[in-house]
Amino acid sequence: GESVGLHLPTLSVQEGDNSIINCAYSNSASDYFIWYKQESGKGPQFIIDIRSNMDKRQGQRVTVLLNKTVKHLSLQIAATQPGDSAVYFCAENRSNDMRFGAGTRLTVKP
Amino acid sequence: DSGVTQTPKHLITATGQRVTLRCSPRSGDLSVYWYQQSLDQGLQFLIQYYNGEERAKGNILERFSAQQFPDLHSELNLSSLELGDSALYFCASSVTNPVTDTQYFGPGTRLTVL
Repeated sequence: GESVGLHLPTLSVQEGDNSIINCAYSNSASDYFIWYKQESGKGPQFIIDIRSNMDKRQGQRVTVLLNKTVKHLSLQIAATQPGDSAVYFCAENRSNDMRFGAGTRLTVKP
Repeated sequence: DSGVTQTPKHLITATGQRVTLRCSPRSGDLSVYWYQQSLDQGLQFLIQYYNGEERAKGNILERFSAQQFPDLHSELNLSSLELGDSALYFCASSVTNPVTDTQYFGPGTRLTVL
């Protein structure tokens, strides 16, 4: 069935390394994608978004890549810091209905 | 701080009871969204209100209802509570709709049904 999902439930990286978190979606009609970060005990926090007419968007230390051919979304975090440790969700918007992936837990080792 | 406030932070109640969760959106935001987050289901969209009217419905049970008031704050009512309703409930707000506007989430209400 249609779904938004993440390839890996956990990701552990060394401080200073780059992190890549992946997400797959199956509905080619989705036109808006968002990455959220959720720290323990807090609500999801917007990181970056991308619309389907774009392939790449950059923010501060973060880049989102959208590959519509294979329905794949990724979040790249440059120079990962301990404060980046959190659960990261991708979300897709389908006709005013937001669907979230299960999340990937990123752990940054000092 | 996202600017979205939710009360209460924690709520403990018994099965069969009814509770009301409250959300105040960011200043200027007209849309309010409710989400449920549980360990086995992830983040599930429940319902959206825009300027006082229901705009979109997700996986919201018939035992649950919501409303948005003229001052734009919103309440989520959960009735005939079951153990499985224990979860984090988040409210988010945006200026108009999720296709063009970023949703900002509140800190959540943790509901425990005993």
